[in-house]
Amino acid sequence: EIVMTQSPATLSVSPGERATLSCRASQSVITNLAWYQQKPGQAPRLLISGASTRATGIPARFSGSGSGTEFTLTISSLQSEDFAVYYCQQYNNWPLSFGQGTKLEIK
Amino acid sequence: EVQLVESGGGLVQPGGSLRLSCAASGFTFSSYEMNWVRQAPGKGLEWVSYISSSGSDIRYADSVRGRFTISRDNAKNSLYLQINSLRVEDTAVYYCARDSSGWSNWFDPWGQGTLVTVSS
Repeated sequence: EIVMTQSPATLSVSPGERATLSCRASQSVITNLAWYQQKPGQAPRLLISGASTRATGIPARFSGSGSGTEFTLTISSLQSEDFAVYYCQQYNNWPLSFGQGTKLEIK
Repeated sequence: EVQLVESGGGLVQPGGSLRLSCAASGFTFSSYEMNWVRQAPGKGLEWVSYISSSGSDIRYADSVRGRFTISRDNAKNSLYLQINSLRVEDTAVYYCARDSSGWSNWFDPWGQGTLVTVSS
């Protein structure tokens, strides 16, 4: 089973600043990685698939990078609506697995 | 508009059973693989089960294998999860999620979820 580890657990950033979230896989997942955003009381929403491809309707300030075991989600200029919990998910191997999440909070 | 609507959650005693349903609309349901993902209160996401578009390929997380059964009815545009021998640790919001299908397995979109509470 591939274990996904996200860091940090909580990230405090001011609006307008850049946020960088990390996700590490216990073995290579190539670029078979997705990122999701979840706000309180809501279902997760797909942001990124294939490690770097934005989903339909996702603003350009969200970008994904990485391959193998190290991945990054960058939000270039934080808007108020971006404060949420972010999860990475690998789909290279069964069972599918998620990271434990990074909570992005307002500084 | 693509929509997934779960139902069937509720309060159940340990050892009990429930059948969750997910009604799909706005897309050709029979062409897509589907999944169940759960989230315990205040916790992260856990993939639970997958079913291929025809229902011929099914996969489970180790934590639920032997107790949960995924199925689908393409004529009714519906996905199901039969959950038996429930444990306290199965308490969670259960989401159905459309699979990207093909050789990839990301989830988009997700339903709003249905809460299963296992307690005596």
